[in-house]
Amino acid sequence: DAMVIQNPRYQVTQFGKPVTLSCSQTLNHNVMYWYQQKSSQAPKLLFHYYDKDFNNEADTPDNFQSRRPNTSFCFLDIRSPGLGDAAMYLCATSKGTQSQHFGDGTRLSIL
Amino acid sequence: GNSVTQMEGPVTLSEEAFLTINCTYTATGYPSLFWYVQYPGEGLQLLLKATKADDKGSNKGFEATYRKETTSFHLEKGSVQVSDSAVYFCAPGAGSYQLTFGKGTKLSVIP
Repeated sequence: DAMVIQNPRYQVTQFGKPVTLSCSQTLNHNVMYWYQQKSSQAPKLLFHYYDKDFNNEADTPDNFQSRRPNTSFCFLDIRSPGLGDAAMYLCATSKGTQSQHFGDGTRLSIL
Repeated sequence: GNSVTQMEGPVTLSEEAFLTINCTYTATGYPSLFWYVQYPGEGLQLLLKATKADDKGSNKGFEATYRKETTSFHLEKGSVQVSDSAVYFCAPGAGSYQLTFGKGTKLSVIP
């Protein structure tokens, strides 16, 4: 089945130690999104790629960056994680403006 | 930008009870409207959608009708099951394909 895959499901890192989360898709969708979801809150869009065009939300901290080396893969880099960055990170894809398809997320813990 | 007001939870129902989760939105133009569901420990799954006024989205016994006059998209199910226990998110999607999620409504169904 075509899907959105996030690895790892659980990631633990140390305060200030860079971490990378990955997302891959077999849907051949041209748009990929990264969301941050804190406990009992709605997902918050961090940024998205429309094809190769990167679109950053105005309130996304500079600490968060993203890379999309090809259609299938997208990475979320957190340069210096703080305790407040502990959250579930969700990757989603869409074909243009059509419905978004989500991965199961990566739960990030900061020690 | 868009905004959405969603019925606050948690909602606890007995099996086979009727479910309504209210959702109203503000948006410029005529957004598409979505309900997503998030089961424990998982990402979001599209439950149903409607793309224009008076459209009814339906899936797995859930229904919601796009009401332009009241800017609402209430989710209903006639008879809930224990397996419906999850968090439900209402989300209008603007022409820019970015979803604005409500805060989510946690539903618990007890046998």
